[in-house]
Amino acid sequence: GAVVSQHPSRVICKSGTSVKIECRSLDFQATTMFWYRQFPKQSLMLMATSNEGSKATYEQGVEKDKFLINHASLTLSTLTVTSAHPEDSSFYICSAQGGRNEKLFFGSGTQLSVL
Amino acid sequence: QKEVEQNSGPLSVPEGAIASLNCTYSDRGSQSFFWYRQYSGKSPELIMFIYSNGDKEDGRFTAQLNKASQYVSLLIRDSQPSDSATYLCAVYSGGGADGLTFGKGTHLIIQP
Repeated sequence: GAVVSQHPSRVICKSGTSVKIECRSLDFQATTMFWYRQFPKQSLMLMATSNEGSKATYEQGVEKDKFLINHASLTLSTLTVTSAHPEDSSFYICSAQGGRNEKLFFGSGTQLSVL
Repeated sequence: QKEVEQNSGPLSVPEGAIASLNCTYSDRGSQSFFWYRQYSGKSPELIMFIYSNGDKEDGRFTAQLNKASQYVSLLIRDSQPSDSATYLCAVYSGGGADGLTFGKGTHLIIQP
C-alpha cells in the first residue's frame, strides 16, 4: 500500500517555541493532505485540509495563524505550530489522498509535548 | 453537523469468538465508510472500507453497511489477542476533499 512518512515522531519543546512537522507521500502524488489532532482517548479531529499550491482550508475553531500549513509540492506538506503552549500538546497526524474518492493513508503521527 | 457515534467500550471478547463493532452516522448523504485500527500511541491503520449496502469480507474481517439505517459495523471472526486495539469508524460525505469524520472509537479487548 501507499506510504506516508511523517517526521518527527516525537517532539518536546519549551513554551513559546515553534515546531515544524513534515508529511511526505513516498510513492504517490498527494493532491490533498489533511492534518488531524488527537487528544488522549479522543477521536481524530480534522484541523485543516491542504491542496498543493493553494491555501489551506481550516476547520472552525482552528487558528490559521497559529497552525501554519504549507503544501509546496505534490509530495510534501508541513504543519508549523507557532509559539506553542502546553495546551497544544497533542498527537498530530497527517494523511494524504491521491485524488478524490481515493483511499486515505496516514502518517505515523507526531506526539508533541510542550513544557 | 456531521456526527459519527460509537460505543467507547471497552468491549471484551474471548479469544476465538466474534467481535462485533458498531457505528452510526448522521449525514444521510455519506458515501464511503472506513474502519481503522489504532494501537495506543500509534497512528490509525486502515482495516476495511465499504461503499455499497451489504457485506464486504476480507479475511477475518467483515464490514456491513446499511445506508437506510445509517449504520455500519465491523465483525472480526476468530478474534486474536493482537486484535486488541481501538477501532475507529470514519465516514466520508463527499462533495470535495474535506476529510473524514471520525467516531471516538471502540476499545476492544480480546481475552486469552
